[in-house]
Amino acid sequence: EDKVVQSPLSLVVHEGDTVTLNCSYEVTNFRSLLWYKQEKKAPTFLFMLTSSGIEKKSGRLSSILDKKELFSILNITATQTGDSAIYLCASANAGNNRKLIWGLGTSLAVNP
Amino acid sequence: DAGITQSPRHKVTETGTPVTLRCHQTENHRYMYWYRQDPGHGLRLIHYSYGVKDTDKGEVSDGYSVSRSKTEDFLLTLESATSSQTSVYFCATSTTGVSLYEQYFGPGTRLTVT
Repeated sequence: EDKVVQSPLSLVVHEGDTVTLNCSYEVTNFRSLLWYKQEKKAPTFLFMLTSSGIEKKSGRLSSILDKKELFSILNITATQTGDSAIYLCASANAGNNRKLIWGLGTSLAVNP
Repeated sequence: DAGITQSPRHKVTETGTPVTLRCHQTENHRYMYWYRQDPGHGLRLIHYSYGVKDTDKGEVSDGYSVSRSKTEDFLLTLESATSSQTSVYFCATSTTGVSLYEQYFGPGTRLTVT
């Protein structure tokens, strides 16, 4: 059965800390891995990773995919209270009508 | 972001009543999805559509039906609401091309079944 596992499930840090969120996957016909941020509303898209070893970056957020070891990480440097959210990871596989396989998310709290 | 709206945004209903949630998009996206989100379960797919009148079941489809008569509208119906269907419901869409796996979410509907 295809699955996506995120760790840790929750994390509390102080402003300015650097955090690393993990996402491992076991998916047949893997195509891409996606990261989303969910504050007190709908998930919003952060990154899509398809190729191994190529970092995607947006401001203080970056992500990389390892297709050999079947995982991805999301890094957030110099965290701010506005980074507090649930971070969701999802996997896409081919021939699945664009359905995504979702992890349970990592709940990040950044304290001032 | 895709223009996706959901209605109603909040609803309280009684057990046994039918409920219809509406998702409307203005981006002409081909694919549409209904999810529910519950603590400890994450996002779970209820039904999805890959075109007008083309729909299929997701992982938690029991007690739900959908219809898509126009590209822009995707309706989710709870045929006879139960307390276990109390949840936050999200609609999402995706398109074709280089962004084919990216899903864009509506603002959600909070449904309470008493």
